[in-house]
Amino acid sequence: SYDLTQPPSVSVSPGQTASITCSGDKLGDKYACWYQQKPGQSPVLLIYQGNKRPPGIPERFSGSTSGNTATLTISGTQAMDEADYYCQAWDRSTVFGTGTKVTVL
Amino acid sequence: EVQLVESGGGLVQPGGSLRLSCAASGFTVSSNYMNWVRQAPGKGLEWVSLLYSGGSTYYADSVKGRFTISRDNSKNTLYLQMNSLRAEDTALYYCAKDFIVATNSHYYYYGMDVWGQGTTVTVSS
Repeated sequence: SYDLTQPPSVSVSPGQTASITCSGDKLGDKYACWYQQKPGQSPVLLIYQGNKRPPGIPERFSGSTSGNTATLTISGTQAMDEADYYCQAWDRSTVFGTGTKVTVL
Repeated sequence: EVQLVESGGGLVQPGGSLRLSCAASGFTVSSNYMNWVRQAPGKGLEWVSLLYSGGSTYYADSVKGRFTISRDNSKNTLYLQMNSLRAEDTALYYCAKDFIVATNSHYYYYGMDVWGQGTTVTVSS
């Protein structure tokens, strides 16, 4: 089976930059996406194709992919960004990462 | 408005069956790639199943042979028939639409762009 590994948690101070990694074999050859999920809410698509934002997603969210790793970066983190974040790899079917809880201290 | 509304969840005994529904509005289910994704209490997202617009189906190993994904074009609704349910199938079940552009030779994937609110399945005696 194909696995995507994320750090369980990331802490960041308001206004600072948070980076979340997602590691998987040849992840750069697949379509990488990122989702944000706040408590009690459905996931929301943040990034697709590794580095593209859907309409309405703030510019402070950005993505990059290199080799076996995709990275989600939150610049100028706000309190409202406290949530769980999941990466996803798509190659004709889907695998989700293990998830990262971002805490804004 | 583009929307997905799941229903059909509930409490079922181990070994029992349940059928989940996902009613779509604002787009056509049969023209899109549709997923079921679940989330066990306090856990992460787990992809469950995918139905291609062309009719091909894919399943996670954990549900293969027990779950069946299907659609009713006349009702614009996606289904998940769940048989031989186990305690580990307890979860919030979401349906989600893939945004995919398919050509003769390539798929261009743009993510799961529409999600429902989920329906809860509890497997317990």
